Formats: sequence, C-alpha cells, structure tokens
Amino acid sequence: AQKVTQAQTEISVVEKEDVTLDCVYETRDTTYYLFWYKQPPSGELVFLIRRNSFDEQNEISGRYSWNFQKSTSSFNFTITASQVVDSAVYFCALNLGFSSGSARQLTFGSGTQLTVLP
Amino acid sequence: DAGVIQSPRHEVTEMGQEVTLRCKPISGHDYLFWYRQTMMRGLELLIYFNNNVPIDDSGMPEDRFSAKMPNASFSTLKIQPSEPRDSAVYFCASSFFAGEETQYFGPGTRLLVL
Repeated sequence: AQKVTQAQTEISVVEKEDVTLDCVYETRDTTYYLFWYKQPPSGELVFLIRRNSFDEQNEISGRYSWNFQKSTSSFNFTITASQVVDSAVYFCALNLGFSSGSARQLTFGSGTQLTVLP
Repeated sequence: DAGVIQSPRHEVTEMGQEVTLRCKPISGHDYLFWYRQTMMRGLELLIYFNNNVPIDDSGMPEDRFSAKMPNASFSTLKIQPSEPRDSAVYFCASSFFAGEETQYFGPGTRLLVL
C-alpha cells in the first residue's frame, strides 16, 4: 500500500524568508505520480504541480520550486521569498495511475500548515 | 472552461435529515471522485466513477451514504439519515483519462449536522 508522510505539521516564517515543505512517499510501484495541492483559508484545493516517476528533473515556477529525488523517495516543495498570500495548508499526494490494478485514488499526506507573517 | 462546480457550498441540517450534495465535473472529464475532509482523518476518498459507472465505493462509510452519476455532467452524494459525525467538508474532483491523471477539485461543501 502507498503512503505519503508530511512530517511538518506547522511551519511559521516571516515574509521574504525561503521555506521548504517536506514530502516523503512510499510505494512499491515503479510508475506513479506525485502532486502538490494548496488549500488556502477559503478552503478550496488548488492543484500546483504533477510529477511522474520517470521524470526527476526539478521544476521551477516563479517563486515555487520542487525537488524530486527517487533515491530518498522525497518530493519537496520550496517557496522562495515567501509572501503572506502563501499562507495555506499544503498537501502532497501520490497516485499510482492507470498501470496499477488498485483504485485510481490520490493518497494524501496529512498536510503542512504554512503561516507567513508580515 | 469552468472548473468543478459543487452545491451547496454550505449546508446546516439537523440529525436525521437527508442531505444531498451536488457536483458538476469539468466537461470532458471521465472520472469523478468524492472525497471527505475531516480534522481527524484528513482527506479520504469515498467513491469514484468512470464514465458514470461507480468503480470503487469501498470508502463509503456506511449504508447511509449513497452516490449516483446519472450522466456525464452531474453527480450526487446523499446522506440519509445524517448524523453529527458526518460533519465535514465534502469535495468533488474530476480528471481526464490520461497518464498524468491530475484531479481538479471543486470548492467543497461544508456540512454541519446538528
């Protein structure tokens, strides 16, 4: 069975600081997909990024960057120069995809509450 | 294109009443998922459909919960009778059958059962 661990329950930083959110996953499948979602105080779940298991290239999108390392089963998320609007709960998730015989469900981590103080 | 639409956004009801949550997936998506989010259990999948057919309902907590998808653009999740422990945020998500399978979530329905 697959599992996603986000060990950091809460993180608090001051605006403009860089912050990294950790995500460690477990799966025996060789094909899988990793995701990050953002849940702001308004409550919706916003898709941020998807990564497949065959693509270990890091990705940067503006102030956001993601570091995928299969060797450590980690998919960490870094926000550079954090802003108050980044305050939210961030979820890491795993999907085994169609190649798996199991349900096509997202397995979510427990989330990290990020608070960016002005 | 519009995202996933859910209604109502908030629902307050009394124990024993029937509750119906509604979802319109993104047009063209052939998978639809219902999730529940609580503080205690986090985000958990209740049921998902493929081309309007329920595929896996193993996450449905008990017989009081039922879900239907009569057509490609509409799904309901019904709780009858409702209980206080059903209070949660219920999310609907949809995805297109593709390798990456990104699920896009609706805004959620916040349910409070008194």
